[in-house]
Amino acid sequence: NAGVTQTPKFQVLKTGQSMTLQCAQDMNHNSMYWYRQDPGMGLRLIYYSASEGTTDKGEVPNGYNVSRLNKREFSLRLESAAPSQTSVYFCASKGAEAGEKLFFGSGTQLSVL
Amino acid sequence: GQQLNQSPQSMFIQEGEDVSMNCTSSSIFNTWLWYKQEPGEGPVLLIALYKAGELTSNGRLTAQFGITRKDSFLNISASIPSDVGIYFCAGHINDYKLSFGAGTTVTVRA
Repeated sequence: NAGVTQTPKFQVLKTGQSMTLQCAQDMNHNSMYWYRQDPGMGLRLIYYSASEGTTDKGEVPNGYNVSRLNKREFSLRLESAAPSQTSVYFCASKGAEAGEKLFFGSGTQLSVL
Repeated sequence: GQQLNQSPQSMFIQEGEDVSMNCTSSSIFNTWLWYKQEPGEGPVLLIALYKAGELTSNGRLTAQFGITRKDSFLNISASIPSDVGIYFCAGHINDYKLSFGAGTTVTVRA
C-alpha cells in the first residue's frame, strides 16, 4: 500500500518556467490537499479538493493552479515559477473513514533560480 | 496566515528527559492533531484529539486537548535519539481545512 505518492522528489526551475507536481493516493480518499512548507512557517495550505470535481483556495493560492483529475490524482501547476515559490511541497489526502486524519506524501523540494 | 502559535520553536533535550511543547490559538478548534516530521519525509500523525479535556497517549507520547478548546500540549517522556524531528500541532478550521503551527524542532543530545 503506497499511500500518497508525489513526483518528482526534487526539481530545479528557472524563473518563468512552468511545471506540474503530481500526486496520487491509493486509499480511496475523497479529499486531497497541497501544502507548502517554509522554514519557521509550518505548513500552509495552497489548494484543496474536498471531493472529486471540486477545488478550493487555501491560504496561499496565488501563482498556483490545481486539477483534480480523478479521485486518485490531484496535480499542482506553477505556470510561471518565481523565486518566492522555492519551497517543499506536500500533497495529502483524507477520507471520511479515517476521521479527521491527514496522510502526507514525502514531499517535493522545489528550487526556483 | 497562521492561526496557531506553537512553542518552543526549538529545543535541545537530554536523552532520558521528559519534555513538553504546546500550541495555542485565538480561535476555537474542534480537533487537535499532533504530527511528527523526520528529515526528507512528510509529517506523520502521532495523536488525534477530538474532545475538550481529552488526554490521549501513544507510547511515550501524551497529548491533551485544552478545556477552552484553544490549546493543546504534547509531552514526550524518557526521550530517545529517534525522537529527533519537527513536531507540528494542527487544528481543524472546518471539515476540510487544517491549520498548522510553525513546528517545534527537537534535537536530542545523546
